[in-house]
Amino acid sequence: NAGVMQNPRHLVRRRGQEARLRCSPMKGHSHVYWYRQLPEEGLKFMVYLQKENIIDESGMPKERFSAEFPKEGPSILRIQQVVRGDSAAYFCASSDEETQYFGPGTRLLVL
Amino acid sequence: DQQVKQNSPSLSVQEGRISILNCDYTNSMFDYFLWYKKYPAEGPTFLISISSIKDKNEDGRFTVFLNKSAKHLSLHIVPSQPGDSAVYFCAASPNTGNQFYFGTGTSLTVIP
Repeated sequence: NAGVMQNPRHLVRRRGQEARLRCSPMKGHSHVYWYRQLPEEGLKFMVYLQKENIIDESGMPKERFSAEFPKEGPSILRIQQVVRGDSAAYFCASSDEETQYFGPGTRLLVL
Repeated sequence: DQQVKQNSPSLSVQEGRISILNCDYTNSMFDYFLWYKKYPAEGPTFLISISSIKDKNEDGRFTVFLNKSAKHLSLHIVPSQPGDSAVYFCAASPNTGNQFYFGTGTSLTVIP
């Protein structure tokens, strides 16, 4: 049973470009969560999604960030017009309603 | 507002001794608690959990204790090993949904 998959593992973007981060949950999991870890900080919740629904986006910045979890395919975290402050590790997790299991993360570097 | 707090950002322990990592929470609706371990450049991995109907759960060298009245949980690692050196996050989930709230982590260093 494959774990949570994230790609790409590393992503480099210039300021103003778009970043797309993908997350495939564990088989059978219908809950997906995105977290951001800034350098020297802990995990910050961003958004919680179920298939085709955003359940809680209270941790998402109001602008430039969006997330989706379509009926088919992976969950996507999209960051438009990236800025240097977006450089961080972005982790996706999926759950079976009891425990969250994390992916390896995508490390975004904005030049 | 941080609902789950880990007030010690770091902890150093001698190999073979006990490591005790602490976590406090504020929301009385939390009824399920988890500990995760994270190595650099990797995602957090699930370690151990406890539901609010218990006050202790043990798995090998790892034991989690829950004190509901104090809204406090702790992770004990005995004996500590150098491979335990990592950042440990506690997390809590309420009985009203499927959201998880994480602490800011404690970096454990086990000295050989």
